[in-house]
Amino acid sequence: GNSVTQMEGPVTLSEEAFLTINCTYTATGYPSLFWYVQYPGEGLQLLLKATKADDKGSNKGFEATYRKETTSFHLEKGSVQVSDSAVYFCALGSGGYNKLIFGAGTRLAVHP
Amino acid sequence: GAGVSQSPRYKVAKRGQDVALRCDPISGHVSLFWYQQALGQGPEFLTYFQNEAQLDKSGLPSDRFFAERPEGSVSTLKIQRTQQEDSAVYLCASSLSPLSREKLFFGSGTQLSVL
Repeated sequence: GNSVTQMEGPVTLSEEAFLTINCTYTATGYPSLFWYVQYPGEGLQLLLKATKADDKGSNKGFEATYRKETTSFHLEKGSVQVSDSAVYFCALGSGGYNKLIFGAGTRLAVHP
Repeated sequence: GAGVSQSPRYKVAKRGQDVALRCDPISGHVSLFWYQQALGQGPEFLTYFQNEAQLDKSGLPSDRFFAERPEGSVSTLKIQRTQQEDSAVYLCASSLSPLSREKLFFGSGTQLSVL
């Protein structure tokens, strides 16, 4: 069945460091891929998405490219800020109504 | 409303009690999902409604879990005879339509603790 695997956290970085959070997936067909973010005390929010191979999703300085050949959707940001501290979830959507399957989440802590 | 609203925010139940969790989706949203998020894990799919029709309940863990959306707006997730393993955050999400391009909006969840 469909599944998502993402790197375990926590990831601890200094402000302005480069961020990569790895995500790989297993799926039949051609799913859409998503990154969601959960800030402390808040609900899940869509960060970015890509709906087909080689698409790049981007938002707030974060980027991820849908790589079908490596079944990956790694999240990157060139320079993180303290305000980026949150839990990040990779997810794939499939089926006629875009049911989401989430990874376990990666906690990011950014220190000044 | 401005977003997806869930109530109560926190619920403590004694083992064996029945609980009901409410979700108010964004007005006019056709699709509604329930997810269960255990501590330190990602959300796991429970069930999906398109308007009032429950099209997928494959994620419901047992027959103690029941969900409804009788008028195609507010939804209730009911758990009968709660067990300790039911302790989790229950998330509701809605979108304007089932299409993959539509953004999914999540509520803040109901944190259920079964003692």
